[in-house]
Amino acid sequence: QSVLTQPPSVSAAAGQKVTISCSGSSSNIGDNSVSWYQQIPGTAPKLLIYDNNSRPSGIPDRFSGSKSGTSGTLGITGLQTGDEADYYCATWDSSLRGYVFGTGTKVTAL
Amino acid sequence: QVQLVQSGAEVAKPGASVKVSCKASGYTFAIYAIHWVRQAPGQGLEWMGWINGGNGKTHCLQRFQGRLTINRDTSASTVYMNLSSLRSEDTAIYFCARQKYSTDAFDIWGQGTVISVSS
Repeated sequence: QSVLTQPPSVSAAAGQKVTISCSGSSSNIGDNSVSWYQQIPGTAPKLLIYDNNSRPSGIPDRFSGSKSGTSGTLGITGLQTGDEADYYCATWDSSLRGYVFGTGTKVTAL
Repeated sequence: QVQLVQSGAEVAKPGASVKVSCKASGYTFAIYAIHWVRQAPGQGLEWMGWINGGNGKTHCLQRFQGRLTINRDTSASTVYMNLSSLRSEDTAIYFCARQKYSTDAFDIWGQGTVISVSS
């Protein structure tokens, strides 16, 4: 049972924008930075965003992240069929004394 | 290139133990922490614990304490994860992941190791 809540699925037409929310609490997102991962089924997760809004080298600027209070948000613009995957947020939880992942969101390009 | 390569799939019986290795290459092993994350079939990601590559200090989620052991061999740039008293709910893909320097993110992941617990 994850302490970070994400919508189960989001979809949009190819070329459009989607946003994925990650809702937490003061013991996790409220006090720590958020990272985002993309996981294509059958493969390992891939880091998309770290420190709330920074992209590792090689990640296109179509992917963006933000954080406000106890929630984080991942945005994907110019949605492509290659973006179809599961997306997870993550952060440190001070109460659990461990990292926690979100429930995961499946993105579909219509 | 920077990579983490894990050992192969294993089948274990309930009550037994399993050990998964994660060999690092392409970077200075001692500078980074390595974490273990698992994913049960059709489920999300679950963080388990970590080890400091330099001083070997470890920490794991309370629910795994007593069952999870993480250690390292610096001469082989390899981290090991040992999970004991296995139960069917431990059936999952186990990933090792490197913690990105000075962040709380995981930037390099192993390919995953399938552990199946079945009698």
